[in-house]
Amino acid sequence: GAGVSQTPSNKVTEKGKYVELRCDPISGHTALYWYRQSLGQGPEFLIYFQGTGAADDSGLPNDRFFAVRPEGSVSTLKIQRTERGDSAVYLCASSLTPDQETQYFGPGTRLLVL
Amino acid sequence: RKEVEQDPGPFNVPEGATVAFNCTYSNSASQSFFWYRQDCRKEPKLLMSVYSSGNEDGRFTAQLNRASQYISLLIRDSKLSDSATYLCVVKTGANNLFFGTGTRLTVIP
Repeated sequence: GAGVSQTPSNKVTEKGKYVELRCDPISGHTALYWYRQSLGQGPEFLIYFQGTGAADDSGLPNDRFFAVRPEGSVSTLKIQRTERGDSAVYLCASSLTPDQETQYFGPGTRLLVL
Repeated sequence: RKEVEQDPGPFNVPEGATVAFNCTYSNSASQSFFWYRQDCRKEPKLLMSVYSSGNEDGRFTAQLNRASQYISLLIRDSKLSDSATYLCVVKTGANNLFFGTGTRLTVIP
């Protein structure tokens, strides 16, 4: 079956611009996670959704970052006033339920802020 | 202190060698432990969960020492296709995962 998909696969933007990154989880998966992976580092947790609500947003670095999942399926990560330090791979993962330990990752969106 | 620490390597080993990776975690309340594999410019994929009793999957053996807060992965008879970055991962209470920086392995013909 289809895995987690993310669009765009690559995004180049200029400092100060607004970007939206999309995640389409595996069908039927209620839990959705966003992570950020910088070069040479492991993924770092940003936010977790259970259904439509953000159950844990403690990993969001500041108020320029926001994410939504209005219908409990597709999620959008939004970054305002992008900075060069936001350049990274943004990974989305989903799991069938929050208790299911296996998280399935999408291919990521490579964001480059010039 | 980072939640999960592991030696970034790189580890360069010949085909057929046995190689071991270790990591430590800081939160004694951590509940679940995993090794993920990440190929270059690809997403992480679950390699195996790690259980207190230790577990084996083919050439791969994972061990957990809760008292020392230490996790290991042993790969026997290394193959060229084992070349990748191996991420040590810990789940603590909440649903998010904490990843180490990854250990890069290159298996040389």
